[in-house]
Amino acid sequence: DAGVIQSPRHEVTEMGQEVTLRCKPISGHNSLFWYRQTMMRGLELLIYFNNNVPIDDSGMPEDRFSAKMPNASFSTLKIQPSEPRDSAVYFCASSLQESSYEQYFGPGTRLTVT
Amino acid sequence: KNQVEQSPQSLIILEGKNCTLQCNYTVSPFSNLRWYKQDTGRGPVSLTIMTFSENTKSNGRYTATLDADTKQSSLHITASQLSDSASYICVVGYNNNDMRFGAGTRLTVKP
Repeated sequence: DAGVIQSPRHEVTEMGQEVTLRCKPISGHNSLFWYRQTMMRGLELLIYFNNNVPIDDSGMPEDRFSAKMPNASFSTLKIQPSEPRDSAVYFCASSLQESSYEQYFGPGTRLTVT
Repeated sequence: KNQVEQSPQSLIILEGKNCTLQCNYTVSPFSNLRWYKQDTGRGPVSLTIMTFSENTKSNGRYTATLDADTKQSSLHITASQLSDSASYICVVGYNNNDMRFGAGTRLTVKP
């Protein structure tokens, strides 16, 4: 069975450029989560969706960050313009339902902004 | 203030030995507590999930305990293997869907 799929796995970009990270959740899962992980701050929840609707985006650091989920099988996290402090590993996770405690994480996208 | 603190920050043990990782939290109202294992370069993988009414849960050689009164949890690893080398993250859920993450414990198992 395919797990959560993220692309790209690695992204290197220059400051000021737009970055788009992609996620395909596990088929049948209704909730999708975007996380950021850094050495300094650990894992942080950025935003989560339930049935394609954003429920809580209080973790989104700034207006430069935006996330969409146009359908049940696809989500994007966009950073525009990117800054060096955005360098981190970005994880997408999905779960069967909003109240499900079991989340399945993707392999992550390692973003480096120079 | 809702906090999750893990200890130790890092740990080195010999293969075959047991170890215990700690997680203390102050989040309220408590909903659930999860332990994740994260291998280097991979996403976290769920080990155990406990709700308020559960005080112990096992997953193979991993056993998690929860004391909701003292707001403490531990993850015990029995007969460690080299593949147990990873970061172990404690996540505490509160309110409806809020979460707080611990900084993790980095475990290294040496032959």
